[in-house]
Amino acid sequence: DAKTTQPPSMDCAEGRAANLPCNHSTISGNEYVYWYRQIHSQGPQYIIHGLKNNETNEMASLIITEDRKSSTLILPHATLRDTAVYYCIVRGVSSGSARQLTFGSGTQLTVLP
Amino acid sequence: DAGVIQSPRHEVTEMGQEVTLRCKPISGHNSLFWYRQTMMRGLELLIYFNNNVPIDDSGMPEDRFSAKMPNASFSTLKIQPSEPRDSAVYFCASSHEGRGGYTFGSGTRLTVV
Repeated sequence: DAKTTQPPSMDCAEGRAANLPCNHSTISGNEYVYWYRQIHSQGPQYIIHGLKNNETNEMASLIITEDRKSSTLILPHATLRDTAVYYCIVRGVSSGSARQLTFGSGTQLTVLP
Repeated sequence: DAGVIQSPRHEVTEMGQEVTLRCKPISGHNSLFWYRQTMMRGLELLIYFNNNVPIDDSGMPEDRFSAKMPNASFSTLKIQPSEPRDSAVYFCASSHEGRGGYTFGSGTRLTVV
């Protein structure tokens, strides 16, 4: 019962912006969109999350469409160290299982020199 | 802050032996999660605790697996008896009130031979 759909892989040139798409057409009004990444052999790393407004932090920007059915994670200037699997996750805030992070297959981003 | 600390980093054991994985969450975080990652199944949530109480253990594969959180600063995941199919990387994560970003540990790579 995957809540999100992501392309399995993407390439990006070093120094260019990496735009990672995610579809979440069944998202509910109280569910957030979270992004994590996992660099090889490391634990997943939190990147950013949002509800309906666009968000930006020191790592990335998150653009959520007005209907909230899709979003895009933007790494403005990708470096080789950004090569990782990127996970888009929909998560509720009510108690119990809705709060859990359920990881899908993610997108393998490869930044090319 | 040292982050989420897991031990050991690597564990190799023989089938039938008891294995105990350990986790120290970030101080002040009151939610703790155990995940397992394999190539076949990806990242799976096994169990999560809130304020040291197990909230959802539906991801625990079978009775051979058990988890405890005796206090806010320590949790264990035990497998008894271990089997080769338990070989995986086990991650612990913590967060505050189950909201916001989770912080993951570096994981324990378990090999059961």
